[in-house]
Amino acid sequence: QSALTQPPSASGSLGQSVTVSCTGTSSDIGAYNYVSWYQQHPGRAPKLMIYEVSERPSGVPDRFSGSKSGNTASLTVSGLQAEDEADYYCSSYAGSNNYVVFGGGTKLTVL
Amino acid sequence: EVSLLESGGGLVQPGGSLRLSCAASGFNFRSYVMTWVRQAPGKGLERVSTISGGGATTFYADSVKGRFTISRDNSKNTLYLQMSSLRVEDTALYYCAKEYVVMGATRRAFDIWGQGTMVTVSS
Repeated sequence: QSALTQPPSASGSLGQSVTVSCTGTSSDIGAYNYVSWYQQHPGRAPKLMIYEVSERPSGVPDRFSGSKSGNTASLTVSGLQAEDEADYYCSSYAGSNNYVVFGGGTKLTVL
Repeated sequence: EVSLLESGGGLVQPGGSLRLSCAASGFNFRSYVMTWVRQAPGKGLERVSTISGGGATTFYADSVKGRFTISRDNSKNTLYLQMSSLRVEDTALYYCAKEYVVMGATRRAFDIWGQGTMVTVSS
């Protein structure tokens, strides 16, 4: 069982928006602004899409955005494109003992 | 180009041992915290172990504590994971990942990942 809870699946139509949630606790997401999101296509390594809740690394389209409220973080993908179909994992810093914890992943389907 | 390349995976019997390596290139390896993350077949990501840049500080997931040892050789730009007393549930693709640092500060995220090396524990 993963430390952070994500819905197993999400879907949206081409061009539409979809939001994926990630629920943690007051010891991880609620305590730190170190929430990250990773995209993983089948057979590929994860790719960092969002860090520090809402920051995008260079090269990541601005269609990807992140937010946080309390113990829950969210990833929103706007203007869905076919290549956005992938698994998405959230992670959060959880202090010096646990370091970083991950969610169980959400499979995003683009209809 | 910044890259990580894992090696050392394979098939091992329960109770056996294996050492994974991760060769880094394209960045100042000794300056970065490095982490091993694993992914069981069809499952999510799990942080296994983390080591500071100088190697003095290490973190382990409870599931591997006492069985796995992380280390690094900064002169060889290589990260290691010594795995012993392996269990069936350790079967996974093992990735090494580099800490994401911006303007000298860690962002508690991983920006560079290798392609992974598969470890299968089975009799």
